[in-house]
Amino acid sequence: DAGVTQSPTHLIKTRGQQVTLRCSPKSGHDTVSWYQQALGQGPQFIFQYYEEEERQRGNFPDRFSGHQFPNYSSELNVNALLLGDSALYLCASSRGPTSTDTQYFGPGTRLTVL
Amino acid sequence: AQKITQTQPGMFVQEKEAVTLDCTYDTSDPSYGLFWYKQPSSGEMIFLIYQGSYDQQNATEGRYSLNFQKARKSANLVISASQLGDSAMYFCAMRVNNNDMRFGAGTRLTVKP
Repeated sequence: DAGVTQSPTHLIKTRGQQVTLRCSPKSGHDTVSWYQQALGQGPQFIFQYYEEEERQRGNFPDRFSGHQFPNYSSELNVNALLLGDSALYLCASSRGPTSTDTQYFGPGTRLTVL
Repeated sequence: AQKITQTQPGMFVQEKEAVTLDCTYDTSDPSYGLFWYKQPSSGEMIFLIYQGSYDQQNATEGRYSLNFQKARKSANLVISASQLGDSAMYFCAMRVNNNDMRFGAGTRLTVKP
């Protein structure tokens, strides 16, 4: 049973560029959440997708957008990259969007913005 | 406001000993879930244990147990019989009423041989 997968593993971009990160949820999961983890900090919630819609959003600008596909996989897009966007981006999936649904994380994508 | 606090930036424990990692939380909502995750240097967040606010008993998963004291709003993680592979960052997290998950700042655990 495959867990949560993310691609790519590492990415290097320059300021102003755009990036797309991808996530495939664990088998049987229909909800995907995205987090940004800066070095030395805990993850910060970006948004959550359920039934192909953005259900919740954290305190992130509109430069951060996403999408969920019918097979429940998801993409995170970041436009006009800033140096401060350098971080580990984590995707988590769960069976549903409620508080009691445990989120399982992927290995993350490490984004470096130069 | 919903807040998670981990006051121990780093902890050391001798191999085979037990260790407690502290976590306190703040919410006025009666319905919430508490989670602990382990993050090795590779970066992946590994789910360890879950405690619901209405659960009567403390959660246990193998060597992990959660010391849930609702009145004190604490949810400490106890790791018994520490192993070298337990060295990692540990994060406490909370979800309130289906809202987003909030993480603490983490505790770095080092297990000494």
